[in-house]
Amino acid sequence: AQKVTQAQTEISVVEKEDVTLDCVYETRDTTYYLFWYKQPPSGELVFLIRRNSFDEQNEISGRYSWNFQKSTSSFNFTITASQVVDSAVYFCALSEATQGGSEKLVFGKGTKLTVNP
Amino acid sequence: DSGVTQTPKHLITATGQRVTLRCSPRSGDLSVYWYQQSLDQGLQFLIQYYNGEERAKGNILERFSAQQFPDLHSELNLSSLELGDSALYFCASSVATQVPADTQYFGPGTRLTVL
Repeated sequence: AQKVTQAQTEISVVEKEDVTLDCVYETRDTTYYLFWYKQPPSGELVFLIRRNSFDEQNEISGRYSWNFQKSTSSFNFTITASQVVDSAVYFCALSEATQGGSEKLVFGKGTKLTVNP
Repeated sequence: DSGVTQTPKHLITATGQRVTLRCSPRSGDLSVYWYQQSLDQGLQFLIQYYNGEERAKGNILERFSAQQFPDLHSELNLSSLELGDSALYFCASSVATQVPADTQYFGPGTRLTVL
């Protein structure tokens, strides 16, 4: 069965600090997809990144970076020089690429990040 | 703005009642997904429709049902409501054609409160 664990329930940092959000996943498939979503206080879910299991290159987008390590089944998310606007709940999610089947997302419980000025 | 719309934004109703949540996917997206977000269960997949046909079911209660119409909008019907059904209900959409597990874009959600 698929499972996503985000062990950090809440993290609080001061503006300009770097912060890493951990995500560990479990799946029996060799082909799968990992996602990160952001849920700001307004409540919507905002897509951040999609990564397939064959692409282990790290990705950087502005202040955001992602570290995918298949050996440890982890897909961690780092925010560099955090800002107050980064305050949100961040969700890691997993989808198995089932042939002709569902592409449902299995979400972790989320990590609430608070960035204080 | 993801391009996915959901109505209403808020819904307050009483136990035993029935409600309908509506979702319009992004232009061109064929697949619609429904998720429930509650404090105790987190974000859980309910059901997926692809081009009008049910494609997958998750932990959806028998009191809940959904459909996707020819214009691709979808409705989630919740009946015999209980206090525990109070949650944020999200709709998401994706193209879901040749690309496996393509990105799902979420609507703003409907917050349901059952009193």
